[in-house]
Amino acid sequence: RKEVEQDPGPFNVPEGATVAFNCTYSNSASQSFFWYRQDCRKEPKLLMSVYSSGNEDGRFTAQLNRASQYISLLIRDSKLSDSATYLCVVNMLTNAGKSTFGDGTTLTVKP
Amino acid sequence: DTGVSQDPRHKITKRGQNVTFRCDPISEHNRLYWYRQTLGQGPEFLTYFQNEAQLEKSRLLSDRFSAERPKGSFSTLEIQRTEQGDSAMYLCASSYPQTSSHEQYFGPGTRLTVT
Repeated sequence: RKEVEQDPGPFNVPEGATVAFNCTYSNSASQSFFWYRQDCRKEPKLLMSVYSSGNEDGRFTAQLNRASQYISLLIRDSKLSDSATYLCVVNMLTNAGKSTFGDGTTLTVKP
Repeated sequence: DTGVSQDPRHKITKRGQNVTFRCDPISEHNRLYWYRQTLGQGPEFLTYFQNEAQLEKSRLLSDRFSAERPKGSFSTLEIQRTEQGDSAMYLCASSYPQTSSHEQYFGPGTRLTVT
């Protein structure tokens, strides 16, 4: 079993749709959590950190459920430019040593 | 451009040859990471440095792989006696852990093809 698991998709949605991705992690001692975005043939870039209280950044909302060991990302009013692969990332240390990446969920937003 | 840079961007080599990649992190970042990524997979952790000290190395990293960061600035990743299974994108990232987001900034990667 992988340490970080994601539904690979692909998710194909129309513009304006709301889409949610989930991610589960196996190590209950994990401390910090992130969502990264990776465009085709590009490097990953941080989308947002995930806090226990949940956090929102514009159209993006991230939630963490430590009891169930899963992380979610909600994208509202999706745009064509949201098309990318979304990577769930888990760190064991609060000061971000080794990061364990999921294999990503691919989103395609269509007009 | 003050981002993370990697050189070369592409490398084609024959099986059995040695290759070396270079990463220049963002100048004030004291942590540097190496990852490997294959198609359809997320980046896989290889190793990381804090300044010049190599703090962790993946158990998946065979003895053919070695990384250095001699002066705590740029880093090199060497693969000896390359195998076809080494073909992948090699990503370098850097971070400044005192920032609240712990964001890792990635370079564009070096794509290795072993023939």
